[in-house]
Amino acid sequence: EVQLVESGGGLVQPGGSLRLSCAASGFTFSSYWMSWVRQAPGKGLEWVANIKQDGSEKYYVDSVKGRFTISRDNAKNSLYLQMNSLRAEDTAVYYCARVTTVTYGGHFDYWGQGTLVTVSS
Amino acid sequence: SSELTQDPAVSVALGQTVRITCQGDSLRSYYASWYQQKPGQAPVLVIYGKNNRPSGIPDRFSGSSSGNTASLTITGAQAEDEADYYCNSRDSSGNHLYVFGTGTKVTVL
Repeated sequence: EVQLVESGGGLVQPGGSLRLSCAASGFTFSSYWMSWVRQAPGKGLEWVANIKQDGSEKYYVDSVKGRFTISRDNAKNSLYLQMNSLRAEDTAVYYCARVTTVTYGGHFDYWGQGTLVTVSS
Repeated sequence: SSELTQDPAVSVALGQTVRITCQGDSLRSYYASWYQQKPGQAPVLVIYGKNNRPSGIPDRFSGSSSGNTASLTITGAQAEDEADYYCNSRDSSGNHLYVFGTGTKVTVL
């Protein structure tokens, strides 16, 4: 059974940092792209970042470029999101998701339960 | 960057059919995928690719696409289908960026 379990969320002051983790199990982690997706309170889903199987390619939504860093440790079956210079608008539930890429697109076929990040003084 | 536009809300009578649409330039190049999200829960993939359902998704859910518009159809809507639905596709840039639609709230009457 595929499982994705996020951790590391919490309350942080504006300008602060936080590191999210996602522990994966039930599949060959090193064979899949992985993503972070977030959802601000009462708002829609927003894709945040992607990382290739071997970590050689990383992509970010414009609003987090230069502040967030996605990484992975295939030996530990873990995905990470280092978030620096946090802003109030980064407040959201952050989901870890597995990506299955195909020739004409891709989709997020498994999701974690999410971890809440609150940026407030 | 790409944008995907959805109607904010639709309603459907129990047992009837509802179609949710998603418009965006990226859909001319990439298939959409569709996600169902109920309050307090993580999203669940319901349709991907040309018209594929993951294991466990009822066959009343189907997908289609034409030009810059993708559609999710629920044929014979059930009370448990009341949820928010989001479309998603790769960004039209060709890189591995993704974009979600604005979301549609489906109410089953």
